[in-house]
Amino acid sequence: QVQLVQSGAEVKKPGASVKVSCKASGYTFTSYGISWVRQAPGQGLEWMGWISAYNGNTNYAQKLQGRVTMTTDTSTSTAYMELRSLRSDDTAVYYCARDSVGGHHDAFDIWGQGTMVTVSS
Amino acid sequence: DIVMTQSPDSLAVSLGERATINCKSSQSVLYSSNNKNYLAWYQQKPGQPPKLLIYWASTRESGVPDRFSGSGSGTDFTLTISSLQAEDVAVYYCQQYYSTLLVTFGQGTRLEIK
Repeated sequence: QVQLVQSGAEVKKPGASVKVSCKASGYTFTSYGISWVRQAPGQGLEWMGWISAYNGNTNYAQKLQGRVTMTTDTSTSTAYMELRSLRSDDTAVYYCARDSVGGHHDAFDIWGQGTMVTVSS
Repeated sequence: DIVMTQSPDSLAVSLGERATINCKSSQSVLYSSNNKNYLAWYQQKPGQPPKLLIYWASTRESGVPDRFSGSGSGTDFTLTISSLQAEDVAVYYCQQYYSTLLVTFGQGTRLEIK
C-alpha cells in the first residue's frame, strides 16, 4: 500500500543538527513531491517546506531559511529533512507528507507516522 | 502570507447532531484559471498524523464517510459533519495550498461530545 515511513525519535542538544528520513513505498516516488510539517507539543501544524522528488527543487518556509535542508535519494525513494542550530522551540513531531511534484501544491493525502525530535540540554 | 482563521476554537456537539466548523482565509484561495479552491480539511486524533478529509474545498477523499462535507469558495469555507459519531472526536484543521511560497493551516478546532 501507499505509505511513508519515518525514522525514529531523536534527542538532541541545543545547537546540534538532526536529520529525519521518510521512505516512500507503493507509488512512483519521482512523480510527487514531499512536504514537511511539524507540530510542537499541544500546538497546531506548521509547514516547513517542500521538495520535488522529480528534480530536487525546494521551497522553504522563510522562518526556517538557512537552517533547513531537504533532499531526496531517488535510488531508495527516501526524502530527508535536516534542521541545524537546534533550539528548544524546535521540539516537535516532524511529519513528511506527499505533495505535488511541482507548480501549485496538492492537498497532503499520505502522511508519515511522525518523528519526535526533542531538543534539551 | 495567507492567514487561516478557524471558528470556533472548540465545539461540543451531541451524538447524532450536526457539527459545523468555519475557516476564513485572509485572501482568496480560488485560482481563476481552473476555478478550484485550494482548500483542504484534515482530522487529527491524539497520537496520529493528520488525515485528509476534503480537498478542493468540497471533494471528499476516498474512504471518508459521507457525513463529512465541505463547502464555500474564495475566502469562506465550512466543514460539516451531518450526524456526529463518537469516532469523530478529534481536532480539525483547514489548510490553504494556493500559495506556492507558504502553505498555511488554521489553528485547529477541537470537537468533543456534549
